[in-house]
Amino acid sequence: AQKVTQAQTEISVVEKEDVTLDCVYETRDTTYYLFWYKQPPSGELVFLIRRNSFDEQNEISGRYSWNFQKSTSSFNFTITASQVVDSAVYFCALSEAHTDKLIFGTGTRLQVFP
Amino acid sequence: DTGVSQNPRHKITKRGQNVTFRCDPISEHNRLYWYRQTLGQGPEFLTYFQNEAQLEKSRLLSDRFSAERPKGSFSTLEIQRTEQGDSAMYLCASSLSQPGRTEAFFGQGTRLTVV
Repeated sequence: AQKVTQAQTEISVVEKEDVTLDCVYETRDTTYYLFWYKQPPSGELVFLIRRNSFDEQNEISGRYSWNFQKSTSSFNFTITASQVVDSAVYFCALSEAHTDKLIFGTGTRLQVFP
Repeated sequence: DTGVSQNPRHKITKRGQNVTFRCDPISEHNRLYWYRQTLGQGPEFLTYFQNEAQLEKSRLLSDRFSAERPKGSFSTLEIQRTEQGDSAMYLCASSLSQPGRTEAFFGQGTRLTVV
């Protein structure tokens, strides 16, 4: 069965700190896709990144970086030098190759204080 | 067309009434999805369409729920005989047709409160 676990319910940091959001997934498929979405207070889910199961290269985009490790079924997300505008709920999600639906984790609420 | 549009943004209804929500996807997207999100939880998949065909429905989607996408453009989600447990945020998303290969873009949602 598919499952996404985000064990951190809430994280609070002070501006400019680095923060890592954890994501662990379960799937029986060999082909699957992993995603991170951001949900600010306005409620709209904003796409951040998609990775497929064959590409374990880590990715960096500005202050954001992602660490995909198949050996531990993890897809962690790091924000470097956090800013107040990063405050939001962050969701990790999984989809398998045979279906197009997203399975979301329960989310991690990040609060960045000035 | 700058994104996925959902109407209304908020809906308050009495238990037992029927409600209908509308979603207008990004114009070139042929896949459209409905999700439901309750407080403190991640979105849960309800159903999705490719063009006008409804390809998958979740077991969460009881007989009181029905979704349509006439002509493969906008979609409606109707809930009949609403119950308090239906109170949630209903999210619509759209994408291009390749499964998992293109990201889904979400609307701002319709928040339903059943009193």
